Amino acid sequence: EADIYQTPRYLVIGTGKKITLECSQTMGHDKMYWYQQDPGMELHLIHYSYGVNSTEKGDLSSESTVSRIRTEHFPLTLESARPSHTSQYLCASSEFGGRPNNEQFFGPGTRLTVL
Amino acid sequence: RKEVEQDPGPFNVPEGATVAFNCTYSNSASQSFFWYRQDCRKEPKLLMSVYSSGNEDGRFTAQLNRASQYISLLIRDSKLSDSATYLCAVNKDFQKLVFGTGTRLLVSP
Repeated sequence: EADIYQTPRYLVIGTGKKITLECSQTMGHDKMYWYQQDPGMELHLIHYSYGVNSTEKGDLSSESTVSRIRTEHFPLTLESARPSHTSQYLCASSEFGGRPNNEQFFGPGTRLTVL
Repeated sequence: RKEVEQDPGPFNVPEGATVAFNCTYSNSASQSFFWYRQDCRKEPKLLMSVYSSGNEDGRFTAQLNRASQYISLLIRDSKLSDSATYLCAVNKDFQKLVFGTGTRLLVSP
């Protein structure tokens, strides 16, 4: 069982509010990821990091920002939430191993609704 | 063309049936392949990695066909609890995986 945690699990918030979605893992994984997934749709990578102080934008443009100050922690921030940000946000992590890419383990997700 | 493609289904099968899904990928340089299971409104959970020689885990068998650039997942003796969406994932580069949209499986009594 993967040890990756996300809080809050559900968030309903008004337009214009600043929000931070938390993601923590206790596996010592170097690589961490944020995905956005709408119901019945595919996962879209919005941010990733391959270590402390490294962050990269993913394939789907997002108005959110991320930081990686500690290995275990990869928070995502929206400065001003809008209804278009309503979605499920999934955090994942993986080892920096010998293979080109190791399997990713996912947190339980945060379901965000912006009114 | 999408980097990873899957038949969205749904695949409706009775309990006890054998069912197989394929997933095609476009990048011939890909080297890492995975199958994930995702239940409704839950996170994806790793089902199995796919190795070049093929691999089996209980009722599940995964295979890789590099020549035709697809991976497959075979489920034998389907259970009601196998009902879920099955996502394939393929590495895009050394940092990222690309996920398919998933194939939905419904197992009925």
